[in-house]
Amino acid sequence: ELKVEQNPLFLSMQEGKNYTIYCNYSTTSDRLYWYRQDPGKSLESLFVLLSNGAVKQEGRLMASLDTKARLSTLHITAAVHDLSATYFCAGLIQGAQKLVFGQGTRLTINP
Amino acid sequence: ETGVTQTPRHLVMGMTNKKSLKCEQHLGHNAMYWYKQSAKKPLELMFVYNFKEQTENNSVPSRFSPECPNSSHLFLHLHTLQPEDSALYLCASSQDSLSLYGYTFGSGTRLTVV
Repeated sequence: ELKVEQNPLFLSMQEGKNYTIYCNYSTTSDRLYWYRQDPGKSLESLFVLLSNGAVKQEGRLMASLDTKARLSTLHITAAVHDLSATYFCAGLIQGAQKLVFGQGTRLTINP
Repeated sequence: ETGVTQTPRHLVMGMTNKKSLKCEQHLGHNAMYWYKQSAKKPLELMFVYNFKEQTENNSVPSRFSPECPNSSHLFLHLHTLQPEDSALYLCASSQDSLSLYGYTFGSGTRLTVV
């Protein structure tokens, strides 16, 4: 059974700082996804990581995947207030068509 | 709008009521999903439909009854719910082989059971 764990679950940081959210998963997963959720809103797809060593970047966010360590990271560079949201990672169960989500990391960026 | 539309956005119902949640997508996707998001738990998969056929029921109580009349529409029928069923119910869709973009989520229905 695939289990996905994120840490930290809560993160408060200052604008301009860098930080990393970690996503560990328990068994082999074909793909790793990152989503963003604003309060009261739906989940927005950020990145899809397909293979070992994959790195994707969009603006101040960069995601990477290490399948050997069963670890994905979401790195935030020079944070700005607009990035405040809850970030979820999700793994795909091999051979099945369903995503298993982590608990989410609630990120608050203070001016 | 994300391409997946859920109605209503908010719903308050008594424990003896019967109500339905609706989800609609016109993305050409063949799979649709119901997820439950509550305050203290990760997103929980409830049901999966692939080409209108239910392929997953994640041990969901029978007071939740899904219906998928075609690949574009998904319903969740609710009856005799409990207060602990209060949550955000999210619908999602994907290509049958899970596209590179994963799931597309709707905005959710915020359900309160009183």
